[in-house]
Amino acid sequence: NAGVTQTPKFRILKIGQSMTLQCAQDMNHNYMYWYRQDPGMGLKLIYYSVGAGITDKGEVPNGYNVSRSTTEDFPLRLELAAPSQTSVYFCASTLEGVYGYTFGSGTRLTVV
Amino acid sequence: KNEVEQSPQNLTAQEGEFITINCSYSVGISALHWLQQHPGGGIVSLFMLSSGKKKHGRLIATINIQEKHSSLHITASHPRDSAVYICAVRSWGGSEKLVFGKGTKLTVNP
Repeated sequence: NAGVTQTPKFRILKIGQSMTLQCAQDMNHNYMYWYRQDPGMGLKLIYYSVGAGITDKGEVPNGYNVSRSTTEDFPLRLELAAPSQTSVYFCASTLEGVYGYTFGSGTRLTVV
Repeated sequence: KNEVEQSPQNLTAQEGEFITINCSYSVGISALHWLQQHPGGGIVSLFMLSSGKKKHGRLIATINIQEKHSSLHITASHPRDSAVYICAVRSWGGSEKLVFGKGTKLTVNP
């Protein structure tokens, strides 16, 4: 039972490059989330999805895009990376009505 | 003002001490979560509360809905309890979204 799997764990990007952070869960959770965690700050919601084919913006969506073609996968796309996107990114999932959340191990991204 | 405020921001204790971390929130909620983040970075769910009190091993979580306040207690603290403890609330309105506090960094010295 893998839970929530995030890849990669670490990445260094140059300004202007693009990349996709992968997130997959095997618990048949319908709700999935992407958060970023900056030093000294609480986790901020970037995007979320309540089911396959449905996504919506969170608090800090600028510079990011998501898709949810299957229940299992929820990739986060960074286009034209900027230093302000240097952060630790967490994917999480839950099942509606169950209320417990499972987090991935995080991706530490540095944009230079 | 943040919707979720935690205190203290940093806490240092000696092994064996009783620890209390506080969380206050300003919105109506359907549930409150306590999470633990170890130095390696992974986040683990400790408790979900909508009323009353829950206990798991040496950890106890309480919530007072009327006062919009929750506490996380650690009895007989141990160096392995050193971590960041995060309070998060789920407000009414669907989507099961969480709003997070900034966390409390706990260091327990031997």
